[in-house]
Amino acid sequence: AQRVTQPEKLLSVFKGAPVELKCNYSYSGSPELFWYVQYSRQRLQLLLRHISRESIKGFTADLNKGETSFHLKKPFAQEEDSAMYYCALKGPGGGNKLTFGTGTQLKVEL
Amino acid sequence: EPEVTQTPSHQVTQMGQEVILRCVPISNHLYFYWYRQILGQKVEFLVSFYNNEISEKSEIFDDQFSVERPDGSNFTLKIRSTKLEDSAMYFCASSEARYPTIRNGYTFGSGTRLTVV
Repeated sequence: AQRVTQPEKLLSVFKGAPVELKCNYSYSGSPELFWYVQYSRQRLQLLLRHISRESIKGFTADLNKGETSFHLKKPFAQEEDSAMYYCALKGPGGGNKLTFGTGTQLKVEL
Repeated sequence: EPEVTQTPSHQVTQMGQEVILRCVPISNHLYFYWYRQILGQKVEFLVSFYNNEISEKSEIFDDQFSVERPDGSNFTLKIRSTKLEDSAMYFCASSEARYPTIRNGYTFGSGTRLTVV
């Protein structure tokens, strides 16, 4: 069965420090992975899709099939990056549903 | 920017009562979804809907749940006889394409918090 694991519930970094939010997945086919962000009391927003090479708000994520990982990175954290981040996997079998990880709360401190 | 609208933002209901959660998807979107998030847990898929029928549903979506697109603009989730464990945040989403991309990916609503007492 497909599964998404985000091992950190909370990640606290200082402003300007690099950020890495971990995501590992379990999927038998060719995965399609996403990162969603949820700012305080707001809706889930699509942040990044692995097929797209576009960098959103300075975030990037590289799919590593060998390590089955899709970690989200940003070289310099900003205060406005504080939010809940969810890794999600689409499928299986061409289906359109998303399987979400449990999320990581990112807190950027001054 | 177009939004998915959900009403009400918070609903309190007594156990055993029927509840209808309402969503207005983005007008040119064709695929509609419901997800839920129990407090402290992850977001879980409930159901997807296309061309006036359910295209996929999860184990959570049992006979107590139903979805409807009654008038071409609203998309509703009905829980027939609510249980305490139905208390959660329910998110509606819509997408333009079957395979959402970074440009036409899922758009989520801001959610309805359902509290069953």
